Amino acid sequence: EPEVTQTPSHQVTQMGQEVILRCVPISNHLYFYWYRQILGQKVEFLVSFYNNEISEKSEIFDDQFSVERPDGSNFTLKIRSTKLEDSAMYFCASSATGQGTQETQYFGPGTRLLVL
Amino acid sequence: KNQVEQSPQSLIILEGKNCTLQCNYTVSPFSNLRWYKQDTGRGPVSLTIMTFSENTKSNGRYTATLDADTKQSSLHITASQLSDSASYICVVSPGYSSASKIIFGSGTRLSIRP
Repeated sequence: EPEVTQTPSHQVTQMGQEVILRCVPISNHLYFYWYRQILGQKVEFLVSFYNNEISEKSEIFDDQFSVERPDGSNFTLKIRSTKLEDSAMYFCASSATGQGTQETQYFGPGTRLLVL
Repeated sequence: KNQVEQSPQSLIILEGKNCTLQCNYTVSPFSNLRWYKQDTGRGPVSLTIMTFSENTKSNGRYTATLDADTKQSSLHITASQLSDSASYICVVSPGYSSASKIIFGSGTRLSIRP
């Protein structure tokens, strides 16, 4: 069964450093998402991406964050200058169609980011 | 304010027993409700999805119910197995196409003891 993959599984970085989290969505999916989950808290929406542009973003997704689909398979989340509070599990998800339908989002296994 | 509340926060049961997890929501307008299973350190995996016209949906030993009038849903797990130990998250989508408006519950952490 096709699945969303993410790399790396764990990332430790120093505050102020840039990190790039990578995701390979399911191949025939058109909508891509990033979520984060701070330890012990709810999953929070960051951004959705369709047709090579951001569809929606949350208040969390400020100028420090950016997303890109550099080629036909990868979908990346960049955090330009990490802060301690960016420490969280970051999930990539994809869906064949967008929300408003019964389409399900398929989540990757996550990247655990720790900012020191 | 759109909210999703789950109970209990955590639950411990013996292997082989049944259990029911609850989800109350105040999301309006309502489109659909999903239950996800999230193993520790992993991404959520969809178990069921229901629209307002559906009362029940099963996936193996998992059965979800929905009462759109009272805005309540439950997830019933039959004959629990050790592999059912996970967090179960109720997720409600509003009645318009907007990923940012999807509301995640805090989850119920279920532990199955042998």
